[in-house]
Amino acid sequence: QQQVKQSPQSLIVQKGGISIINCAYENTAFDYFPWYQQFPGKGPALLIAIRPDVSEKKEGRFTISFNKSAKQFSLHIMDSQPGDSATYFCAARFGGATNKLIFGTGTLLAVQP
Amino acid sequence: DVKVTQSSRYLVKRTGEKVFLECVQDMDHENMFWYRQDPGLGLRLIYFSYDVKMKEKGDIPEGYSVSREKKERFSLILESASTNQTSMYLCASSLFAGTGMVDLGQPQHFGDGTRLSIL
Repeated sequence: QQQVKQSPQSLIVQKGGISIINCAYENTAFDYFPWYQQFPGKGPALLIAIRPDVSEKKEGRFTISFNKSAKQFSLHIMDSQPGDSATYFCAARFGGATNKLIFGTGTLLAVQP
Repeated sequence: DVKVTQSSRYLVKRTGEKVFLECVQDMDHENMFWYRQDPGLGLRLIYFSYDVKMKEKGDIPEGYSVSREKKERFSLILESASTNQTSMYLCASSLFAGTGMVDLGQPQHFGDGTRLSIL
């Protein structure tokens, strides 16, 4: 099944709080799971990514948690800031060398000051 | 820095017109992609190209075609525009996955999009 299910559709978090966005997939052939961040008027940009042989990856305030057996992965934003307000997309790679991605439907995050 | 440039930020066309969306990347990337972005649907792949003159259909190719005559340029063509093709169109490019000693995944680099309205 070539689908990545993302939730929630929108999220409001207070400044300093933790933002959590979840994704689930079915196809075990996916081999790379990136998260993209998109600000209004801009194209998405890679935020952080993980391979399925790793359970967690942290870069600054951003952490991906990956559960291979459950086929789920999530993005955690610690100490959320108003500047983190953006749309976040999870994705999964299925195209091998062609680097094709299947994207989730996106989560609009608003961090209130 | 990789730069992916889309020729227009906003475009208004009429039903039935043939529409060309242009995308240029400056990093000698092999792969190029066209997506459309609609609220609640995320990014959906229309077509991609992994080499000059090579193309493959994505998830929603109906009503679209593409052209890649030069490595740096990838064009999306709406053969006969219809109102249901009103959308945000995003172009992206990337190296082949597996480039380098260890495949850590190659990011796709996106342009800022073309907001296309079909009246």
